[in-house]
Amino acid sequence: EAGVTQFPSHSVIEKGQTVTLRCDPISGHDNLYWYRRVMGKEIKFLLHFVKESKQDESGMPNNRFLAERTGGTYSTLKVQPAELEDSGVYFCASGAGGRFNEQFFGPGTRLTVL
Amino acid sequence: GIQVEQSPPDLILQEGANSTLRCNFSDSVNNLQWFHQNPWGQLINLFYIPSGTKQNGRLSATTVATERYSLLYISSSQTTDSGVYFCAVERWANNLFFGTGTRLTVIP
Repeated sequence: EAGVTQFPSHSVIEKGQTVTLRCDPISGHDNLYWYRRVMGKEIKFLLHFVKESKQDESGMPNNRFLAERTGGTYSTLKVQPAELEDSGVYFCASGAGGRFNEQFFGPGTRLTVL
Repeated sequence: GIQVEQSPPDLILQEGANSTLRCNFSDSVNNLQWFHQNPWGQLINLFYIPSGTKQNGRLSATTVATERYSLLYISSSQTTDSGVYFCAVERWANNLFFGTGTRLTVIP
Protein backbone atom coordinates (compact mmCIF):
# COMPACT_ATOMS: atom_id res chain seq x y z
CA GLU A 1 0.00 0.00 0.00
CA ALA A 2 1.35 3.39 -0.98
CA GLY A 3 2.06 5.88 1.77
CA VAL A 4 1.42 9.60 1.78
CA THR A 5 3.07 11.27 -1.18
CA GLN A 6 3.96 14.91 -1.68
CA PHE A 7 5.01 16.91 -4.69
CA PRO A 8 7.37 18.58 -5.31
CA SER A 9 10.08 17.40 -2.96
CA HIS A 10 11.85 20.74 -3.26
CA SER A 11 10.80 24.16 -4.51
CA VAL A 12 12.87 27.31 -4.79
CA ILE A 13 11.01 30.50 -5.64
CA GLU A 14 11.48 34.25 -5.49
CA LYS A 15 9.71 36.37 -2.93
CA GLY A 16 6.34 37.43 -4.29
CA GLN A 17 5.86 34.36 -6.48
CA THR A 18 3.22 31.69 -6.05
CA VAL A 19 3.83 28.07 -5.16
CA THR A 20 1.41 25.17 -4.97
CA LEU A 21 2.19 22.07 -2.97
CA ARG A 22 0.34 18.82 -3.45
CA CYS A 23 -0.41 15.95 -1.11
CA ASP A 24 -1.89 12.56 -1.90
CA PRO A 25 -3.05 10.80 1.28
CA ILE A 26 -3.18 7.09 1.92
CA SER A 27 -6.13 5.66 0.01
CA GLY A 28 -9.26 5.55 2.13
CA HIS A 29 -8.06 8.09 4.72
CA ASP A 30 -10.69 10.75 5.20
CA ASN A 31 -8.49 12.89 7.44
CA LEU A 32 -5.75 14.98 5.87
CA TYR A 33 -3.46 17.39 7.71
CA TRP A 34 -0.88 19.99 6.77
CA TYR A 35 2.02 20.84 9.07
CA ARG A 36 5.19 22.85 8.60
CA ARG A 37 8.57 23.29 10.20
CA VAL A 38 10.19 26.69 9.72
CA MET A 39 13.56 28.06 10.84
CA GLY A 40 14.47 24.83 12.66
CA LYS A 41 11.59 25.26 15.06
CA GLU A 42 9.11 22.60 16.06
CA ILE A 43 6.71 21.09 13.58
CA LYS A 44 3.42 23.00 13.75
CA PHE A 45 -0.10 22.22 12.65
CA LEU A 46 -1.63 24.25 9.84
CA LEU A 47 -5.01 22.72 9.05
CA HIS A 48 -7.12 19.60 9.01
CA PHE A 49 -9.55 18.28 6.38
CA VAL A 50 -12.20 15.67 6.88
CA LYS A 51 -12.97 14.55 3.37
CA GLU A 52 -13.38 17.81 1.45
CA SER A 53 -14.35 19.95 4.45
CA LYS A 54 -11.98 22.07 6.51
CA GLN A 55 -12.35 20.79 10.05
CA ASP A 56 -9.80 23.07 11.64
CA GLU A 57 -7.70 25.78 10.03
CA SER A 58 -6.59 27.49 13.21
CA GLY A 59 -2.93 26.99 12.40
CA MET A 60 -2.93 28.80 9.07
CA PRO A 61 -0.57 31.75 9.52
CA ASN A 62 -2.37 34.29 7.30
CA ASN A 63 -4.53 34.70 4.22
CA ARG A 64 -1.59 34.16 1.87
CA PHE A 65 -2.10 30.45 2.47
CA LEU A 66 -4.97 28.63 0.79
CA ALA A 67 -5.65 24.92 1.12
CA GLU A 68 -8.11 22.89 -0.88
CA ARG A 69 -9.20 19.30 -1.06
CA THR A 70 -11.61 19.01 -3.92
CA GLY A 71 -13.42 15.69 -4.04
CA GLY A 72 -11.95 14.63 -0.74
CA THR A 73 -8.89 12.99 -2.28
CA TYR A 74 -5.65 14.90 -2.83
CA SER A 75 -5.02 18.31 -1.34
CA THR A 76 -3.16 21.40 -2.46
CA LEU A 77 -1.61 24.16 -0.38
CA LYS A 78 -1.00 27.40 -2.23
CA VAL A 79 1.17 30.21 -0.96
CA GLN A 80 0.52 33.51 -2.72
CA PRO A 81 2.52 35.70 -2.60
CA ALA A 82 5.38 33.87 -0.91
CA GLU A 83 7.47 35.68 1.71
CA LEU A 84 10.93 34.87 3.04
CA GLU A 85 9.55 33.62 6.36
CA ASP A 86 7.54 30.95 4.53
CA SER A 87 10.70 28.96 3.90
CA GLY A 88 10.71 25.60 5.61
CA VAL A 89 9.48 22.05 5.23
CA TYR A 90 5.78 21.43 4.64
CA PHE A 91 4.48 18.05 5.72
CA CYS A 92 1.22 16.40 4.87
CA ALA A 93 -0.27 13.60 6.96
CA SER A 94 -3.33 11.41 6.72
CA GLY A 95 -5.30 9.28 9.14
CA ALA A 96 -8.34 7.04 9.13
CA GLY A 97 -10.05 9.07 11.85
CA GLY A 98 -11.99 7.90 14.84
CA ARG A 99 -10.74 7.56 18.37
CA PHE A 100 -7.48 5.82 17.42
CA ASN A 101 -6.35 8.20 14.72
CA GLU A 102 -2.72 7.39 13.98
CA GLN A 103 -1.32 9.93 11.54
CA PHE A 104 1.08 8.93 8.76
CA PHE A 105 3.34 11.56 7.26
CA GLY A 106 4.57 12.21 3.78
CA PRO A 107 8.21 12.97 2.97
CA GLY A 108 7.63 16.72 3.02
CA THR A 109 8.21 19.54 0.56
CA ARG A 110 11.20 21.75 1.26
CA LEU A 111 10.27 25.31 0.26
CA THR A 112 12.94 27.97 -0.12
CA VAL A 113 11.87 31.56 -0.75
CA LEU A 114 14.69 33.82 -1.93
CA GLY B 1 -1.99 24.77 23.16
CA ILE B 2 -0.38 21.89 24.94
CA GLN B 3 3.37 22.03 25.70
CA VAL B 4 5.56 19.08 24.72
CA GLU B 5 9.11 18.90 26.04
CA GLN B 6 11.68 16.35 24.97
CA SER B 7 14.95 15.49 26.61
CA PRO B 8 17.80 15.36 26.06
CA PRO B 9 17.97 17.72 23.08
CA ASP B 10 21.11 16.02 21.80
CA LEU B 11 22.55 12.59 22.42
CA ILE B 12 25.73 10.96 21.13
CA LEU B 13 26.13 7.22 21.56
CA GLN B 14 28.67 4.60 20.71
CA GLU B 15 27.26 1.87 18.50
CA GLY B 16 25.83 -0.89 20.67
CA ALA B 17 24.87 1.36 23.57
CA ASN B 18 21.35 1.76 24.98
CA SER B 19 19.45 5.02 25.45
CA THR B 20 16.25 6.44 26.85
CA LEU B 21 14.49 9.46 25.38
CA ARG B 22 11.85 11.29 27.36
CA CYS B 23 8.74 13.23 26.38
CA ASN B 24 6.79 15.30 28.92
CA PHE B 25 3.48 16.93 28.10
CA SER B 26 1.56 19.59 29.96
CA ASP B 27 -2.01 18.29 29.83
CA SER B 28 -4.07 15.17 29.35
CA VAL B 29 -3.93 13.73 25.84
CA ASN B 30 -5.92 11.31 23.73
CA ASN B 31 -3.04 9.96 21.74
CA LEU B 32 0.74 10.03 21.52
CA GLN B 33 3.05 9.13 18.66
CA TRP B 34 6.83 8.73 18.37
CA PHE B 35 8.53 9.46 15.06
CA HIS B 36 12.04 9.10 13.69
CA GLN B 37 13.13 11.72 11.18
CA ASN B 38 15.79 10.12 9.07
CA PRO B 39 18.66 11.97 7.38
CA TRP B 40 16.47 12.48 4.30
CA GLY B 41 13.90 14.35 6.38
CA GLN B 42 11.20 11.71 6.31
CA LEU B 43 9.06 11.20 9.42
CA ILE B 44 8.83 7.50 10.11
CA ASN B 45 6.14 6.24 12.50
CA LEU B 46 7.66 4.33 15.39
CA PHE B 47 4.87 3.97 17.91
CA TYR B 48 1.27 4.96 18.38
CA ILE B 49 1.08 4.71 22.15
CA PRO B 50 -1.52 6.71 24.13
CA SER B 51 -0.84 4.48 27.14
CA GLY B 52 0.99 1.33 28.15
CA THR B 53 4.07 -0.31 26.68
CA LYS B 54 4.86 -1.49 23.17
CA GLN B 55 7.93 -3.13 21.67
CA ASN B 56 9.17 -3.34 18.11
CA GLY B 57 12.53 -5.03 17.71
CA ARG B 58 15.22 -3.01 19.45
CA LEU B 59 12.80 -0.19 20.19
CA SER B 60 10.21 0.01 22.90
CA ALA B 61 8.04 2.77 24.31
CA THR B 62 6.09 3.37 27.48
CA THR B 63 3.49 6.06 28.08
CA VAL B 64 2.21 6.87 31.55
CA ALA B 65 -0.70 9.10 30.67
CA THR B 66 -1.67 9.87 34.28
CA GLU B 67 1.82 11.27 34.91
CA ARG B 68 2.03 12.95 31.49
CA TYR B 69 5.18 11.42 30.10
CA SER B 70 6.40 8.88 27.60
CA LEU B 71 9.74 7.13 27.21
CA LEU B 72 11.36 5.71 24.11
CA TYR B 73 14.02 3.05 24.63
CA ILE B 74 16.61 2.21 22.03
CA SER B 75 18.73 -0.85 22.73
CA SER B 76 21.93 -1.95 20.98
CA SER B 77 21.96 1.24 18.94
CA GLN B 78 23.11 1.19 15.31
CA THR B 79 24.35 3.97 13.06
CA THR B 80 21.07 3.79 11.15
CA ASP B 81 19.29 4.91 14.33
CA SER B 82 20.81 8.36 13.90
CA GLY B 83 18.41 11.22 13.25
CA VAL B 84 15.88 13.25 15.17
CA TYR B 85 13.24 11.60 17.34
CA PHE B 86 9.97 13.46 17.78
CA CYS B 87 7.20 12.95 20.25
CA ALA B 88 3.77 14.32 19.28
CA VAL B 89 0.53 14.39 21.24
CA GLU B 90 -3.08 14.88 20.31
CA ARG B 91 -5.79 16.35 22.47
CA TRP B 92 -9.36 16.82 21.29
CA ALA B 93 -8.95 18.45 17.93
CA ASN B 94 -7.13 15.69 16.09
CA ASN B 95 -4.08 17.83 15.31
CA LEU B 96 -0.71 16.83 16.72
CA PHE B 97 1.48 19.01 18.92
CA PHE B 98 5.16 18.21 18.43
CA GLY B 99 8.10 18.46 20.77
CA THR B 100 11.37 20.01 19.60
CA GLY B 101 12.96 16.60 19.20
CA THR B 102 16.02 14.71 20.38
CA ARG B 103 18.89 14.58 17.91
CA LEU B 104 20.62 11.21 18.18
CA THR B 105 24.03 10.52 16.69
CA VAL B 106 25.34 6.96 16.82
CA ILE B 107 29.09 6.67 16.27
CA PRO B 108 30.57 3.47 14.81
